[in-house]
Amino acid sequence: AQKVTQAQTEISVVEKEDVTLDCVYETRDTTYYLFWYKQPPSGELVFLIRRNSFDEQNEISGRYSWNFQKSTSSFNFTITASQVVDSAVYFCAEGVYNQGGKLIFGQGTELSVKP
Amino acid sequence: DAGVIQSPRHEVTEMGQEVTLRCKPISGHNSLFWYRQTMMRGLELLIYFNNNVPIDDSGMPEDRFSAKMPNASFSTLKIQPSEPRDSAVYFCASGGQVTSGNTIYFGEGSWLTVV
Repeated sequence: AQKVTQAQTEISVVEKEDVTLDCVYETRDTTYYLFWYKQPPSGELVFLIRRNSFDEQNEISGRYSWNFQKSTSSFNFTITASQVVDSAVYFCAEGVYNQGGKLIFGQGTELSVKP
Repeated sequence: DAGVIQSPRHEVTEMGQEVTLRCKPISGHNSLFWYRQTMMRGLELLIYFNNNVPIDDSGMPEDRFSAKMPNASFSTLKIQPSEPRDSAVYFCASGGQVTSGNTIYFGEGSWLTVV
């Protein structure tokens, strides 16, 4: 069965610090997708990134970067030079290819960036 | 482009009343998902449709919950009769072709309070 674990329930940093959010997934499927979503205080779920299981390239988008390692079943998310606007709950999720792409979510990590 | 549109955004209802949540997916997407978010259980998948057909409803909590997708541009999630424990945020999401590694986009959620 699929499972996503985000061991960090809450993280608090001071603005401009770098912060890494951990995500570990479990799956028996050979084809799957990994996602990160952001849920700001306003409540909506904002898509950040999707990674395919066959593409282990890391990705950088501005201050955001993602490190996908199949060997450790991890898909970690780093925010460089954090800002107050980054304060949110961040969810890691796994999508299963042969199940219509439905997402299994981790419990989320609440990030608080203080000025 | 319009995203996933949900209505109502907020609803407060009395126990025993029928609640209907509505969703318009992104045009061209052929997968639609209903998720529920609570503090205790996090984000859990209730049901998903592919090409308007329910594929997996194993997450629907009980017979009081039902979901329909009469056409590609509309879906409903109905709770009858509602109970206080149904209070949660209900998200609708849609995604494209699974074979292309669809990205799943969420609506802003329907915040339900049953008193």
